[in-house]
Amino acid sequence: SAVISQKPSRDICQRGTSLTIQCQVDSQVTMMFWYRQQPGQSLTLIATANQGSEATYESGFVIDKFPISRPNLTFSTLTVSNMSPEDSSIYLCSVVGSQATEAFFGQGTRLTVV
Amino acid sequence: AQKITQTQPGMFVQEKEAVTLDCTYDTSDPSYGLFWYKQPSSGEMIFLIYQGSYDQQNATEGRYSLNFQKARKSANLVISASQLGDSAMYFCAMREDPYNTDKLIFGTGTRLQVFP
Repeated sequence: SAVISQKPSRDICQRGTSLTIQCQVDSQVTMMFWYRQQPGQSLTLIATANQGSEATYESGFVIDKFPISRPNLTFSTLTVSNMSPEDSSIYLCSVVGSQATEAFFGQGTRLTVV
Repeated sequence: AQKITQTQPGMFVQEKEAVTLDCTYDTSDPSYGLFWYKQPSSGEMIFLIYQGSYDQQNATEGRYSLNFQKARKSANLVISASQLGDSAMYFCAMREDPYNTDKLIFGTGTRLQVFP
């Protein structure tokens, strides 16, 4: 299994500012995934972060709004830029186990934009 | 079209009873995986159980079992001997492998409440 440390666990931010969320994995993984969970909703994939290449964004998500870094095989960051109250959500990072029969999540970042 | 459908927004079950949470899926890919997660109010996603499309037997993990009916494209989660701590949101998810991306598609979830 993989252990993912995600921080911050929660934050309250002013609109127009940016927040960077960090995820550290205790083992090397090829792909890391960033999900958003809006209040009362399910999880939606934002992007897939590969080490050494640009992140792959899902429809409806753009790099200018959600820039992602993946400097090595154990670490990734997601930035939520120019925030508005609509960005208030839980953001989660995830990795898949070596056999792809498990997918592990960080503890989540509960973001409130005021 | 919805890839993963959870038709029960909420379920109630009495402590020590069994409960089934429904999940149906839609894919044309012969290779896929199905996952169930528990999300308590703290927000973390707790992996419960996995079923691969080629697995011959239904998956089981402790009190959790997966009733996998491939022809009907359903993967229902059965929780036996419910406990108060089982109260949470439960999400069904699918991994399709056409491009080996490993990304998951989630259903809308079912809120389970266990009462004494």
